[in-house]
Amino acid sequence: GAGVSQSPSNKVTEKGKDVELRCDPISGHTALYWYRQRLGQGLEFLIYFQGNSAPDKSGLPSDRFSAERTGESVSTLTIQRTQQEDSAVYLCASSQDGGRETQYFGPGTRLLVL
Amino acid sequence: AQSVSQHNHHVILSEAASLELGCNYSYGGTVNLFWYVQYPGQHLQLLLKYFSGDPLVKGIKGFEAEFIKSKFSFNLRKPSVQWSDTAEYFCAVNDYKLSFGAGTTVTVRA
Repeated sequence: GAGVSQSPSNKVTEKGKDVELRCDPISGHTALYWYRQRLGQGLEFLIYFQGNSAPDKSGLPSDRFSAERTGESVSTLTIQRTQQEDSAVYLCASSQDGGRETQYFGPGTRLLVL
Repeated sequence: AQSVSQHNHHVILSEAASLELGCNYSYGGTVNLFWYVQYPGQHLQLLLKYFSGDPLVKGIKGFEAEFIKSKFSFNLRKPSVQWSDTAEYFCAVNDYKLSFGAGTTVTVRA
């Protein structure tokens, strides 16, 4: 079936504005992850959803970041009052059952905060 | 917390040369190990993975990796690279969330 999809592919915003990034996981995948990739760096874990369990938010860098997921479908990552250091590629991944299973990545949303 | 280190930041080589990218991780428990590749303009793709069994795993496009538990290493190899192997390569360890190395940019000159 289709892979992980993300929208928008690119987002330019002004400092202080809020942004919403969307992720559609692979159908049937119970686990969903958000990562951030800053220029020239590896990926940083942000948040993990597994089924109906409470999400693991341990990677969120500040309280300006939040994410929601409805059931086992779409997830939205929201960044409030964006700062220039939030500029990065935000990647979503999903896996069939979570745990240590293979994660499949979407194309990412490239966020630029001016 | 786990950490993953990749030994090379940027590797430049000619076509037909052999490639080896080093990866070491810090976690001593049960982990799954991955190499992901990101070709220019494309998204992250799984190159190969190790879960258990034979420590020498083969992936797509002629890549292989060897898991050496005693050395906490999972090095990636390809005997003869092609120009199309130009990409960024990431080693990752999964203990439910992926911990990534900083990545190695590989440039293959034709």
